[in-house]
Parts: sequence; C-alpha cells; structure tokens
Amino acid sequence: ETGVTQTPRHLVMGMTNKKSLKCEQHLGHNAMYWYKQSAKKPLELMFVYSLEERVENNSVPSRFSPECPNSSHLFLHLHTLQPEDSALYLCASQPDLNTEAFFGQGTRLTVV
Amino acid sequence: GQNIDQPTEMTATEGAIVQINCTYQTSGFNGLFWYQQHAGEAPTFLSYNVLDGLEEKGRFSSFLSRSKGYSYLLLKELQMKDSASYLCAVRGSTLGRLYFGRGTQLTVWP
Repeated sequence: ETGVTQTPRHLVMGMTNKKSLKCEQHLGHNAMYWYKQSAKKPLELMFVYSLEERVENNSVPSRFSPECPNSSHLFLHLHTLQPEDSALYLCASQPDLNTEAFFGQGTRLTVV
Repeated sequence: GQNIDQPTEMTATEGAIVQINCTYQTSGFNGLFWYQQHAGEAPTFLSYNVLDGLEEKGRFSSFLSRSKGYSYLLLKELQMKDSASYLCAVRGSTLGRLYFGRGTQLTVWP
C-alpha cells in the first residue's frame, strides 16, 4: 500500500463514451503524475502537476484531459478514445519534483 | 532522445543470486531508480543511486557508474515472491521526470 489510490481499478468503455479516472493521495505530496503503461513498452509520462499547476504535457492527444482541483486529487478525463489507448494508467505522487515516486495500483482501461 | 535499456526476461532458481543490468543514455541525469512491479500491482520503490558506487539494502543492492551510463540491481537469496518485473528509471534534469526502461521480467523457479 503506497498511499496513492486510484479508481476504478478496471474500466471498459466504448469509443464514444466519456469517463474519468481518479487518483487520490493524502501524503502531503506536491507533485502528481499520470503515466501510461502499455504491453511491452516502457512507462510513458503523460502529465505532470506541481502544486496544482500543470507543468508538462508530454505531447498527449487532446482526447486525454487532466484536471488537478487540489493537491490531493488528480483526474484524467477521457473522451472519444481509440482501441490503441487500452493500457494500464498509473498515477504517481512525489513529495516534490526531485524525490522518488509513489505509484497507485493503476486503472486497467479497455477501449472497445 | 532518451534511451534506457535492460533485458526483457531473466530466470533464476530459489536461493540464487541474480544481477539485472541497465544502461542509459539521457540528456540529463539526476539519479537512477529501481522499482519492482508484480503483475497487476503498482510499481514499488526499491533503490536510488545518484553517486557512483554500491547501495545495499537487505537482500537487494544497486550499483551505479555514471561515466559508463550503467547500473545493476543485485538480488541475493532469491525467493519465489521475487518473481516480478524490475523497472530501471532515470531522472532527467527537468521537472523531476522519470524515464523508464521496458522492465525485466524475472521468474524465480523452485
């Protein structure tokens, strides 16, 4: 248990659906991240938030939209996804930008 | 670009020692991390090296050579529960971002 909680753990959605992934941490960390983990590929950084400000958008398609309403919560809003977006989406938090990352359990997303 | 390279798969037997290598080429370097990830679970932090040399933590040790762009994770007295994917990650110089390798799937046999 890392203290980073993601919901839902599993999600199946159609290409025309809109859904949101949620990440929550009460560790007092100031930096939060979204990563994508596809089979046989390295973890890919998607978004970085530091003190609730988005500091990096790693060339992610606009069908993925992050939101960080406060330092404890991070969302990833999904709309009109493609089957190739099926992957494990991991949230991570860090006390600050220069410390180790604590990962959530991930959301296994399947787009049909 | 960033390149983190590690073997895809390794196997070993219970009680043995295994070394997982990682080589990297990144535009900046601010530390190297090893994470363990069991199937269907979150990656968990194992070790961190920022200076050259060996860091020992129980059955696990990690080594770094910055001049060679090389690290290894050494696992001693292997147990069945050590079967997992081991991720090598390098922290770049901007925004604390981590660049990950593809992971090494370790299988420990009885």
